[in-house]
Amino acid sequence: GDSVTQTEGQVTVSESKSLIINCTYSATSIGYPNLFWYVRYPGEGLQLLLKVITAGQKGSSRGFEATYNKEATSFHLQKASVQESDSAVYYCALRPRTGGYKVVFGSGTRLLVSP
Amino acid sequence: EAAVTQSPRNKVAVTGGKVTLSCNQTNNHNNMYWYRQDTGHGLRLIHYSYGAGSTEKGDIPDGYKASRPSQENFSLILELATPSQTSVYFCASGDSGQNSDYTFGSGTRLLVI
Repeated sequence: GDSVTQTEGQVTVSESKSLIINCTYSATSIGYPNLFWYVRYPGEGLQLLLKVITAGQKGSSRGFEATYNKEATSFHLQKASVQESDSAVYYCALRPRTGGYKVVFGSGTRLLVSP
Repeated sequence: EAAVTQSPRNKVAVTGGKVTLSCNQTNNHNNMYWYRQDTGHGLRLIHYSYGAGSTEKGDIPDGYKASRPSQENFSLILELATPSQTSVYFCASGDSGQNSDYTFGSGTRLLVI
């Protein structure tokens, strides 16, 4: 079936440094899936950070960006300069083109930004 | 503002007891979902619904029931709670469209002792 892999359970970055959180996916359904990044701040529910529905395109929001790389089946999240307020858990997810109800989530990556 | 509200925020239950987690959405979305989130796992889908009166099994439905009495409300029921059901539970709502995303509640932290 479809799956999303986030290899890092936790990432620690100093404030103002750059960030990359890795995400790869496997989609067995026909067609390219929609890809998402969700973020969960402490005490809150998940909220959509960005999404890309077309392979090869880039999504961006709040200084974060992710490029849909269909060849590498990757959707890494990047930010040039992180802030302490970015500390949260980030989830990569996909929604297949068929059987479209079911969003599949990665295991999440906790980002700690140190001052 | 459209939202998804879960109650309770925290719950302690005894093994063998019945637990009901409630979810209310004001987004007028057709679809609603219950997930659980455990360390080392992504969000795993327990049950979902396409509309009032409909419930469907997700990937890990064993030990759980669901009820969707109205467009706005979707409950998750643990008839006989077990310690393995200790987790954080998230409710979400979403449209049926392929390009739509989900709106999540803040989660319910359940401890079964």
